[in-house]
Amino acid sequence: NAGVTQTPKFRILKIGQSMTLQCTQDMNHNYMYWYRQDPGMGLKLIYYSVGAGITDKGEVPNGYNVSRSTTEDFPLRLELAAPSQTSVYFCASRSRTVNTEAFFGQGTRLTVV
Amino acid sequence: AQSVTQLGSHVSVSEGALVLLRCNYSSSVPPYLFWYVQYPNQGLQLLLKYTSAATLVKGINGFEAEFKKSETSFHLTKPSAHMSDAAEYFCAVSKNAGNMLTFGGGTRLMVKP
Repeated sequence: NAGVTQTPKFRILKIGQSMTLQCTQDMNHNYMYWYRQDPGMGLKLIYYSVGAGITDKGEVPNGYNVSRSTTEDFPLRLELAAPSQTSVYFCASRSRTVNTEAFFGQGTRLTVV
Repeated sequence: AQSVTQLGSHVSVSEGALVLLRCNYSSSVPPYLFWYVQYPNQGLQLLLKYTSAATLVKGINGFEAEFKKSETSFHLTKPSAHMSDAAEYFCAVSKNAGNMLTFGGGTRLMVKP
């Protein structure tokens, strides 16, 4: 009963380094999302995908990239990390069925120093 | 574009008192509405969702919310707060089943003994 799994849980990056945040779901959901959470700002959508091979930008995509080669996986790539990318990142997935909720992973806490 | 406003980034109540967390949305079409709860260092979990079958929606842990179209509101209430209710609460809206969720800024609920 895994749901949405994110790895790693914590990471410290140096400015200019790159990394990939992993996200996988086992519910066969078509829709997957990446959000970042900053204190007092709620959750902001970075990228989303409506199915394998299809991705689109959300509200705050700059500095990030995604791919969706399978239904299960939706990795988020940070190139040239900057302090402004210090945040908590959440992956979520959702069925295309009417009025269903999104299921969230436990989050990745990233610090860029 | 949709938006969600949560009035009050911090709400403090005494144990046993009424909990009222406010959420107003702007949407050009009848939306799908959700309340999520986030406990410290965890992901978001669904409290309740508006299905359009009934304007008063009951969720987990004794929470409920009432959809008021005339006021574009979906406020969350609980008759009697418990210490374990201390968490951050997010209201979210989506335009349709597969569309991305737009989140409010969150309300941190503190419960005093």
